[in-house]
Amino acid sequence: AQKVTQAQTEISVVEKEDVTLDCVYETRDTTYYLFWYKQPPSGELVFLIRRNSFDEQNEISGRYSWNFQKSTSSFNFTITASQVVDSAVYFCALSEGDTGRRALTFGSGTRLQVQP
Amino acid sequence: SQTIHQWPATLVQPVGSPLSLECTVEGTSNPNLYWYRQAAGRGLQLLFYSVGIGQISSEVPQNLSASRPQDRQFILSSKKLLLSDSGFYLCAWRNTGVYGYTFGSGTRLTVV
Repeated sequence: AQKVTQAQTEISVVEKEDVTLDCVYETRDTTYYLFWYKQPPSGELVFLIRRNSFDEQNEISGRYSWNFQKSTSSFNFTITASQVVDSAVYFCALSEGDTGRRALTFGSGTRLQVQP
Repeated sequence: SQTIHQWPATLVQPVGSPLSLECTVEGTSNPNLYWYRQAAGRGLQLLFYSVGIGQISSEVPQNLSASRPQDRQFILSSKKLLLSDSGFYLCAWRNTGVYGYTFGSGTRLTVV
């Protein structure tokens, strides 16, 4: 069975600080996909990134960066120089490979509060 | 273009009343469709998924049911709502693009 753990329930930082959101996953599949979503107060899920299990390259997009390490089953998300607009709940999620139900399994989310 | 529509956006229903939430997808055929629920302050839990017309799989025992009468239509229903059915309901479909999954804008259900 798949499982995603986001141990940090809530993080509070001051604007311009760097912050890392942790994500640890469990799966028996050799092919899988990892995701990060942002959920602002309005509730919709905003897609941030998708990573497949065969691509361990880290990725940077502006102030966002992701560190994927299969050896520790982790897919951590770092926001550099945080801003108030980054305040939201962030979800890490895992989906199975190319067969089966292929549903997303979500972590419990990390609420990030960026104080001005 | 590929889009997903979900309605209504908000709903307040009394305990014991029926429920029908609808989700439709445009721009694709034979998608995998999903219903998720998010209780207040919690993560997203998969309720149902469907790989084709009339094919529904339930992930957790509950007071809700789902149906897929047409290829791109997914309906979440209940005959009698419970207080515990309150939450934020999201419909999603799995696409083959870079995003992987597309989510509707959600329905915030309050059972009173």
